[in-house]
Order: sequence, then C-alpha cells, then structure tokens
Amino acid sequence: QSALTQPASVSGSPGQSITISCTGTSSDIGAYDYVSWYQQHPGKAPKLMISDVSDRPSGVSDRFSGSKSGNTASLTISGLQAEDEADYYCSSYRSVSIILFGTGTKVTVL
Amino acid sequence: QVQLVESGGGLVKPGGSLRLSCAASGFIFSDYYMTWIRQAPGKGLQWVSVVSSSGTHTNYADSVKGRFSISRDNAKHSLYLHMNSLRAEDTAVYYCARGYSGYDRAFDMWGQGTMVTVSS
Repeated sequence: QSALTQPASVSGSPGQSITISCTGTSSDIGAYDYVSWYQQHPGKAPKLMISDVSDRPSGVSDRFSGSKSGNTASLTISGLQAEDEADYYCSSYRSVSIILFGTGTKVTVL
Repeated sequence: QVQLVESGGGLVKPGGSLRLSCAASGFIFSDYYMTWIRQAPGKGLQWVSVVSSSGTHTNYADSVKGRFSISRDNAKHSLYLHMNSLRAEDTAVYYCARGYSGYDRAFDMWGQGTMVTVSS
C-alpha cells in the first residue's frame, strides 16, 4: 500500500492562488471519486477541507477547491492567506474501506 | 461537546502490547464508521484500521494486519485498538477519526492523538 505522490512543498504570496497535485493510480484515484484533502497545522490534528473530490464540508472557506483528472487530484487555494500555511495531505479510497494518504505538501506563504 | 479523546499511549518495549481507547461524545457514535490513523514523528499520515458502525466489518493496513485488532463498544461510545507484537516502526501519534457523513472514505472529526513509543 504505497502512498499517493504529492510535491514536498509549494509556496505563494498572499492573495495568489496555488495548486497542490496528488498522483495515484488507476486502482485508487482513478477508480473512485473519493478523494479528500486535509490541512494540518504543526502540533494539531488534521482538518478535513475537501471530500469526494470537490465537496467542501460546512465551515470550510470557499477559497479551497478540489478537482480530479484521471489518476491525479488537485487542491487549489485561492486568495492565499497567512493562516493557510500548513501541511496538506490528500487521501483516496484504495479498495473497500482502505484509504491511502498522500506524502504531504508543506505550503509556505511568502 | 462534540469530540474524540484518545488515551492509552505510552512507552512499550519491542514485542510488547498496548490498548488504545477513544472516547466519543456529542454525537450518535453508533451511526459512524470509525478509523485509526497514525503519524510517525516528522512523517505523513498513515491509515491503520477501520471498523463499521455496527462493528461487524473491519479492515487493516498490511503493515499491522495480524498484529492489531480494532473494536468498538457502542454502548460505551468507545473505540479501541489492541496492538500486539509492537515494533519500532509502530512509533507514532495515533489518532481516532470519525467517518464523514457516517462513511469510511473521509474523516471529519479527529481526536488530539495519543503517542505510542516502541523502544527498548
């Protein structure tokens, strides 16, 4: 059960948009529309930002959006803010009730 | 108050055992799939195990299959992870997490985590 591939780091200036990619295979991301994204600040538990590829749970800013094409999913953060600086993880259904997480991406706000 | 609170972590020798607990409050525990997820120091998230809302269906990551056992007590609003034959690579913060909308494919509520250290 290998991890999904994410870039180690992505950075942007306040107000800019950034996109984080998450690459899997035809057995996980390509097979299911069950991609989620989590934000984790240092020393804190992860927070669900996107589920089912592009759905935002209640309370999550609309600056966060998700998409998928083939075996790759993406998280876009628009209007980057200082508070967005955190680690971000994607996840995907791999088979019945088995979840695969991504390697994680550190977002830096310049 | 809607929350998950883990307990039971600590220092254990290789080959030893530990039982983690997760106490749920503020929601109908029996309606939700529950999952254990771990994070080794300075590393990423790793899915460990899941149990269905009724407790009848479970699944495990290959790395813990045969050594860990997940269970739940809906009457006590509690989730458990029984860990045997522990290895150094099991050292991590262990989070319990609630399945979003009751399902098993995303996690909308997490505990604060409990640290497990496997070392001689």
